[in-house]
Amino acid sequence: AQKITQTQPGMFVQEKEAVTLDCTYDTSDPSYGLFWYKQPSSGEMIFLIYQGSYDQQNATEGRYSLNFQKARKSANLVISASQLGDSAMYFCAMRELPGYSSASKIIFGSGTRLSIRP
Amino acid sequence: DAGVTQSPTHLIKTRGQQVTLRCSPKSGHDTVSWYQQALGQGPQFIFQYYEEEERQRGNFPDRFSGHQFPNYSSELNVNALLLGDSALYLCASSLSDGTAVQLAYGYTFGSGTRLTVV
Repeated sequence: AQKITQTQPGMFVQEKEAVTLDCTYDTSDPSYGLFWYKQPSSGEMIFLIYQGSYDQQNATEGRYSLNFQKARKSANLVISASQLGDSAMYFCAMRELPGYSSASKIIFGSGTRLSIRP
Repeated sequence: DAGVTQSPTHLIKTRGQQVTLRCSPKSGHDTVSWYQQALGQGPQFIFQYYEEEERQRGNFPDRFSGHQFPNYSSELNVNALLLGDSALYLCASSLSDGTAVQLAYGYTFGSGTRLTVV
């Protein structure tokens, strides 16, 4: 069965520093996708970055990068040069991909609350 | 281009009552998924609708039911409300077809309905 584990309930980071949010996953399917979402206090889930299980290179999106270590089943999010607006809940998520069907669901970890100190 | 719209934004119900939450998907999307997010936790998958049928279901009791209309909008119904049903209910829309990357980037969440059961 699919499972996502986030072991950091909360983190405090100084503004402009880099931060790494940990995520490990478990799946028996060879084809899957990994996501990171940001959820501010407003509640909306904001998509940050995606990594496919067959992607050879780590995904990057602006200040966000995903440190994908397939053998260790790890998909850590790295935020460079953190900003006050980065304070939010961050969720790691996974979706199994049977073929190209969207039928499979996305499952989420328990989240990490990131607080940026000025 | 409107994103995913959910209504109402907030709702207070009494234990034992029934509630209906509504979701309008992003323009062009045909699949709707519902999630329950208890305070301080990650979203839990309830079910997914495509072509007006429930395609997948998470570990939720039959008190949770849904519907999808021909225009792809969807409703989530919860009967016999319990205090434990208090949560943020998120709707996500997506396309039923596409590459894995298209599916990943196209999965869009609404801002949610916050349900309080008293």
